[in-house]
Amino acid sequence: KQEVTQIPAALSVPEGENLVLNCSFTDSAIYNLQWFRQDPGKGLTSLLLIQSSQREQTSGRLNASLDKSSGRSTLYIAASQPGDSATYLCAVNMRFGAGTRLTVKP
Amino acid sequence: DGGITQSPKYLFRKEGQNVTLSCEQNLNHDAMYWYRQDPGQGLRLIYYSQIVNDFQKGDIAEGYSVSREKKESFPLTVTSAQKNPTAFYLCASSSLPSYNEQFFGPGTRLTVL
Repeated sequence: KQEVTQIPAALSVPEGENLVLNCSFTDSAIYNLQWFRQDPGKGLTSLLLIQSSQREQTSGRLNASLDKSSGRSTLYIAASQPGDSATYLCAVNMRFGAGTRLTVKP
Repeated sequence: DGGITQSPKYLFRKEGQNVTLSCEQNLNHDAMYWYRQDPGQGLRLIYYSQIVNDFQKGDIAEGYSVSREKKESFPLTVTSAQKNPTAFYLCASSSLPSYNEQFFGPGTRLTVL
């Protein structure tokens, strides 16, 4: 059974800092990996989808990488802003990590 | 506007009652999903459906039931057999295959009184 882990559980950074969120999974037989953002009490917003054949995807200040052999993905956020404060979740084959709660301080 | 709608936003239920949560999408997606989220935790899959009149159990299907009579609709019933139903319920949809990019609705918060 696929298990997805996200570290750290919470992260606080000053505005402008570059940061990396981590996602690890136990079964390398994946179809894709998806990163989401969730604001308190809201649904999930899709940020990036990486197909199993891809190594990375970029959207604006976000860059996600995928290493199937090591069972890892990272989400890189450049020049963080207070509006980036949210919980970030990764999902692999319909299984989710518990998320990283990010706070960006002005 | 294309998207996924869930209703109601908040739902209160007395113990022993069944309740049905609504999920509708106009994205023309074939696959639909129901997840449960508990505080500080990730999402857990309850049921999913890839085609009308067919659905599969997820990791935590006990105490829940679904139907898929129309492509656009995938209602979830929380039965009295669900021992701890208080949670945030999220519906999602995607094109096929079922591991394609998922899009989520705004969620329904269910509280058992």
